[in-house]
Amino acid sequence: SYELTQPPSLSVSPGQTASITCSGDKLGDKYVCWYQQKPGQSPVLVIYQDSKRPSGIPERFSGSNSGNTATLTISGTQAMDEADYYCQAWDSSTAVFGGGTRLTVL
Amino acid sequence: EVQLVESGGGLVNPGGSLRLSCEVSGFTFSNYSINWVRQAPGKGLEWVSSISSSGTYMYYADSVKGRFTISRDNAKNSLYLQMNSLRAEDTAMYYCARDPPIVAGFDYWGQGTLVTVSS
Repeated sequence: SYELTQPPSLSVSPGQTASITCSGDKLGDKYVCWYQQKPGQSPVLVIYQDSKRPSGIPERFSGSNSGNTATLTISGTQAMDEADYYCQAWDSSTAVFGGGTRLTVL
Repeated sequence: EVQLVESGGGLVNPGGSLRLSCEVSGFTFSNYSINWVRQAPGKGLEWVSSISSSGTYMYYADSVKGRFTISRDNAKNSLYLQMNSLRAEDTAMYYCARDPPIVAGFDYWGQGTLVTVSS
């Protein structure tokens, strides 16, 4: 079965750039979505089709996908961005999530 | 306003059954595929099942295949998940999520309903 791999954790200082990676075999051939989930809340879509932002998502969130790696970049990270982030792609009509990355802003 | 509201969760014995519901509003339900995604306590997201807009096509994760059945009633704007032969590892928050083709992902999620499988 298809797998997506994310680093378990990442720490950044406020104002710095956070880059969260998601790796999978030939991931660049698939569309990748990214979700933000804060404690006790449902996930929120922050990036779809590799690099598009839904309405209401700040411009500091961006995405890219090439080769075997997709990347979610948060520029000028703010305290409110502290959350778990999950990548997701489709493989043979099944959705696959990465294991999640806990972003700490300190 | 798009809303998805899950219900039906609770405590069930191993081997038991439970039926989850997801009632939607704010969009034309019959135009969208809908999915179930679960999250075990303290763990990551796991896709469970999806159903096409008309209900013709259904897909399942290997972990639930043969035990769970997804269905929908477009006249009632409702999605269902019949869960049989429940195991402790099925304990999780279950979310329903909308899946528009243009997104290739899930743009709206419900608040979730908690299923606990324990004796």
